[in-house]
Order: sequence, then C-alpha cells, then structure tokens
Amino acid sequence: AQKITQTQPGMFVQEKEAVTLDCTYDTSDQSYGLFWYKQPSSGEMIFLIYQGSYDEQNATEGRYSLNFQKARKSANLVISASQLGDSAMYFCAMIIIQGAQKLVFGQGTRLTINP
Amino acid sequence: KAGVTQTPRYLIKTRGQQVTLSCSPISGHRSVSWYQQTPGQGLQFLFEYFSETQRNKGNFPGRFSGRQFSNSRSEMNVSTLELGDSALYLCASSLDVGSYNSPLHFGNGTRLTVT
Repeated sequence: AQKITQTQPGMFVQEKEAVTLDCTYDTSDQSYGLFWYKQPSSGEMIFLIYQGSYDEQNATEGRYSLNFQKARKSANLVISASQLGDSAMYFCAMIIIQGAQKLVFGQGTRLTINP
Repeated sequence: KAGVTQTPRYLIKTRGQQVTLSCSPISGHRSVSWYQQTPGQGLQFLFEYFSETQRNKGNFPGRFSGRQFSNSRSEMNVSTLELGDSALYLCASSLDVGSYNSPLHFGNGTRLTVT
C-alpha cells in the first residue's frame, strides 16, 4: 500500500531563511506523482509543486523546489527566503491511479515563520 | 478562471440530521473528488466522480454518498450525522483523468460541526 510519511510535526524558522520540509514515500509502483500542498488557516489546499517519478530534474516553482531522491524515496520541499506568509500547514501527497485517481496525504508539517 | 467553489463554508447540524455539501469544479475539469480532514485521521479520500460516475470510494460507511451532475458539479450527502462526522470537507477537481502529472485543485472546504 502507498504511504506518505512526514516526520516533522512542526518547524520554526526565522524570516528570510531557507527551510526544508521532509517527505518520504512508500510505493511499489514505478509510475507515480508527488505533490506538495500548502494549507493556511483558512482551510484551502493550495497546490505548490509537482514531481513525477520519471522526471530526471528536480521540480522548481519560484521560491519552491523539490529535492527528489528516488533511490531513498524522498521528496523534500525546499522554500527559499521564507516569508511571514509562508506560515501554514504543508502536506506531501502521492497520486494513485487505480481506475480512479486519489491522493494519499502525509500527516503534514506546521511551519511557523518568525519575524 | 474561477477556482473550485464549495458551499456552504460553515455548517452546524445536530446528531441524526442529514447534510448536503456542494462543489463546483474549475471550468473544464471533469473529475471531482472529496476528502475529509480531521485532526485525528488527517486527510482521507471519500470518493471520486468522473462523467457522473463514481469511480472509487474510500473506506467510509454508506451514510456518505455523493453524485455528479452533467455540468460536473458535485454534491456529497451525509445522512444520520454522528459527532465524529465533524470535519473539514474538501472538494478537488482535476483536468486530466488517469494522469500522474495533473494536480488536484482544491476548494476552500466546508467546515461541518455536528452537535
């Protein structure tokens, strides 16, 4: 069965510092996709970045980058130059396609940016 | 382009009642899925609809049901509400079906409180 593990329940970072949020995954499938979502206190899940299992380069989207290490089954999110507005819950997720498609989420990491 | 719209944002119901939640996907998106988020269980997949057909259902009792209309709008219904149904219910839509690189885009969610 597919599983996502996020080992950091909470992280505190100073504004303008870089932060790495950890994510490891478990799957026997060769084809899969990994996503990171941000959830502010308002509740909306905001799509940040995607990495496909066959992508040879690490994904980047503005200040977000994904450190994808396939052999170690890890897909860590790196946020550069953190801002106060980055304070939120962050979820790592894997997409499963078995007739239908669904996301399997990790437990999340609560990131707090201190001024 | 408008995002995923969920209504209502907040609901307070009494045990034993039933509730209907609504979701309008992004224009052109035909896949709609529902997730339940609770502090204890995290984010859990409820069901996914495509072309008015439920393609997959998560491990939830039959009290949870849904449907999708021809315009891709979806509703989910919970009957005989229990206290444990209190949660944030998130709807997501995606453009491509069966694609590992098609992100799910979420709405703001409906926060249901059962008293």
